[in-house]
Amino acid sequence: DAGVIQSPRHEVTEMGQEVTLRCKPISGHNSLFWYRQTMMRGLELLIYFNNNVPIDDSGMPEDRFSAKMPNASFSTLKIQPSEPRDSAVYFCASKWGPTADTQYFGPGTRLTVL
Amino acid sequence: GNSVTQMEGPVTLSEEAFLTINCTYTATGYPSLFWYVQYPGEGLQLLLKATKADDKGSNKGFEATYRKETTSFHLEKGSVQVSDSAVYFCALSKSSGGSYIPTFGRGTSLIVHP
Repeated sequence: DAGVIQSPRHEVTEMGQEVTLRCKPISGHNSLFWYRQTMMRGLELLIYFNNNVPIDDSGMPEDRFSAKMPNASFSTLKIQPSEPRDSAVYFCASKWGPTADTQYFGPGTRLTVL
Repeated sequence: GNSVTQMEGPVTLSEEAFLTINCTYTATGYPSLFWYVQYPGEGLQLLLKATKADDKGSNKGFEATYRKETTSFHLEKGSVQVSDSAVYFCALSKSSGGSYIPTFGRGTSLIVHP
């Protein structure tokens, strides 16, 4: 299996621009998570989907952030407009079923907002 | 709510030293417990897990025992190698309204010198 795939791996943009991060979960997994990792805050859960439906988005920092999962094999995290404080590594993870099972993380997207 | 507390890092050791990274948790009932490892520039990957009290998870020489009475899941390794240098995350997963939303600790950086 290819594992969780994220793109792009690195993104550098200017303040005010729209940023779209992409994730392809492992085939057969039906739970998907978006995380943000920074030195200051550590690993933060932004949003969690189960069977393509957002279950908990309480971690989304503000209205500038939005996430979609139009089908079982694709999800996006969008930031519009981006700000320098959004600079972080964003991870996507997937797992099988609504159980306390292992999550599989992608390699992450390193976002730098200038 | 649920929470995970890990010892602050970095932990710096010489090769072949004994490793302990402390982890305690707060949760009602019986969560599943995990240790994930993050190597530089990569996403998190599962190191070991335990799903019920007194279970011992083990992998690659690392061990952790689920202690319900002390709400702990300390990570140990008898003889560390330079290649073990990474960030280690303790995590729990427990049902909340039918969903299993994970909770991660802040991570503990381990540096092993030759």
